[in-house]
Amino acid sequence: QVQLVQSGAEVKKPGASVKISCKASGYTFSDYDMHWVRQAPGQGFEWIGRIQNTGDRTTYAQKFQGRVTVTRDSSTSTLYMELSSLRSDDTGLYYCTRDWFGSYEHWGQGTLVTVSS
Amino acid sequence: DAVMTQSPLSLPVTLGQSASISCRSSQSLIHRNGNTYLNWYHQRPGQSPRRLIYRVSTRDSGVPDRFSGSESGTDFTLVISSVEAEDAGVYFCMQGTHWPYTFGQGTKLEIK
Repeated sequence: QVQLVQSGAEVKKPGASVKISCKASGYTFSDYDMHWVRQAPGQGFEWIGRIQNTGDRTTYAQKFQGRVTVTRDSSTSTLYMELSSLRSDDTGLYYCTRDWFGSYEHWGQGTLVTVSS
Repeated sequence: DAVMTQSPLSLPVTLGQSASISCRSSQSLIHRNGNTYLNWYHQRPGQSPRRLIYRVSTRDSGVPDRFSGSESGTDFTLVISSVEAEDAGVYFCMQGTHWPYTFGQGTKLEIK
């Protein structure tokens, strides 16, 4: 079965960077685009960015441009997201998702990132 | 960006009664390929979202047929025909037609 297993919770200071991972299994990793979304505490979801299945192209939400980098390693079927210049309002749950024609059927379990001095 | 506006944001429902959640898009969600990429999800506390419905009205495998989705122009509706205790949680819509994908604010369904 399809599984997306994310790395553990992170606590960072303002201005630092965080890199979280998402290991995929149960399907051919290179067949699907992968996305990251964020859920701030008590808030709705916000799309962060995506990487195409081949890894050749990334697209980021305007508000994260310049601060986020999404990469993937096909040899280990792992997706990564690095977010820099962290602020307190970056605190939240970060999810990796598998995209198929405008829909997320599969989600990771979420990684809590806490930004606090 | 396509703004997705859900209502109500809170929905108390008695067991066995029906529940209806609305999601309105600020623009047409008809893709140039003719498909409409509107999804509905359910999220319980501490869990990842579970997709219930995709392309407006197609139920995922294992989703009970008491869940149904429909559309009227840019208005989309999720109906739960006879609410059960396990249906409690937050429901949200998501559009995947336009970049960036955008989400409704979520509707918290609680059992009275």
